[in-house]
Amino acid sequence: SQQGEEDPQALSIQEGENATMNCSYKTSINNLQWYRQNSGRGLVHLILIRSNEREKHSGRLRVTLDTSKKSSSLLITASRAADTASYFCATSTSGTYKYIFGTGTRLKVLA
Amino acid sequence: DTEVTQTPKHLVMGMTNKKSLKCEQHMGHRAMYWYKQKAKKPPELMFVYSYEKLSINESVPSRFSPECPNSSLLNLHLHALQPEDSALYLCASSQPGFIAVTNRDTDTQYFGPGTRLTVL
Repeated sequence: SQQGEEDPQALSIQEGENATMNCSYKTSINNLQWYRQNSGRGLVHLILIRSNEREKHSGRLRVTLDTSKKSSSLLITASRAADTASYFCATSTSGTYKYIFGTGTRLKVLA
Repeated sequence: DTEVTQTPKHLVMGMTNKKSLKCEQHMGHRAMYWYKQKAKKPPELMFVYSYEKLSINESVPSRFSPECPNSSLLNLHLHALQPEDSALYLCASSQPGFIAVTNRDTDTQYFGPGTRLTVL
């Protein structure tokens, strides 16, 4: 399979705690994107990090990228119940439109 | 406007029916995508149109037929589907940026809310 792997598959935390999820991929990439999906709905784009970047921040989100290890992590700080969703990473290879999604992490934030 | 719209939201069809899914974006994006997503699984790429031309077909069965009438519209025509084709069908668009990244928004995919398809 060409899919990226995400871990953990599921994560349950208390409101206010930080949530970290990891994504590993197999081939050289142009960029890596993180998405959130609430149950049965469309995907919401969270953040894009390019292959020449190592870290990006957006509000309570922090994304890192290690191209030597072919891995990325998404950190959500001070989590809220509204953050409960599935989170997916997606990678694309330079020169193509092909995006490959990771297996996803189901996050549950308990109030 | 960063919205991708999809119609219908829900569709129930028999195996002999012909139906179409529609997707529209007005962001000026020149790449549009169809994905299929089964429950608790990641989206799987089906088709990509770039500059209104089909550039990727991920070996999708011919009972799915994509069409890109213009740069804002993307259709997916369905015919003689099987029950296992029941899934959430997602449309997305993006502005290609792999040639020269001059806009921070390039390559970002924007997704529609999806069409929940049930094949009886």
